[in-house]
Amino acid sequence: SYELTQPLSVSVALGQTARITCGGNNIGNKNVHWYQQKPGQAPVLVIYRDSNRPSGIPERFSGSNSGNTATLTISRAQAGDEADYYCQVWDSSSTVVFGGGTKLTVL
Amino acid sequence: QVQLQESGPGLVKPSETLSLTCTVSGGSITSYYWSWFRRPPGKGLEWIAYIYYSGNTNYNPSLKSRVTISVDTSNQFSLRLSSVTAADTAVYYCARHSHDNPNWFDPWGQGTLVTVST
Repeated sequence: SYELTQPLSVSVALGQTARITCGGNNIGNKNVHWYQQKPGQAPVLVIYRDSNRPSGIPERFSGSNSGNTATLTISRAQAGDEADYYCQVWDSSSTVVFGGGTKLTVL
Repeated sequence: QVQLQESGPGLVKPSETLSLTCTVSGGSITSYYWSWFRRPPGKGLEWIAYIYYSGNTNYNPSLKSRVTISVDTSNQFSLRLSSVTAADTAVYYCARHSHDNPNWFDPWGQGTLVTVST
């Protein structure tokens, strides 16, 4: 089965840029979706199909995908961005695969 | 705007069957795929199963032998997980698939905590 690898944690200074990676074999050939989950809340879609933002998601959130790595970039990080972030793809057997999740800390 | 709400017992005994319902308001389940997910304490998100309103299903291979997903009414679908153990303790979520492919999940229900314990 397909596997996605995320760093357990990423730290960023307030106002700086955070980058959360999602590694997978030739992941650039897949479409990657990203979700934000704050404590006690449901996941929220923040990026779909690699780099598209749903309505209501700030422009500070962006995504890219190439080769073996997809990246979620959060510019001008705010305290309210602290959350767990998950990447997600579909594998060849039409099953859903999530990365292990990355905890973002804003210092 | 479509909203989802999970419901079911918050406590299930080991070896018994966990049963949850997802109620969709502001729309019907027609013409969409729907999924169940869970997040165990201290762990990440896990997809459990999906269903199309007409009945097409697919399951996480690691849970397939114990899981059943079904459509109950025009605005409800459900999850049954048999022979539960403490490892099945988690917050369970339902969510709608996008129409576009490859599907993403939006919106999600708020989640319901299910604890497996005597």
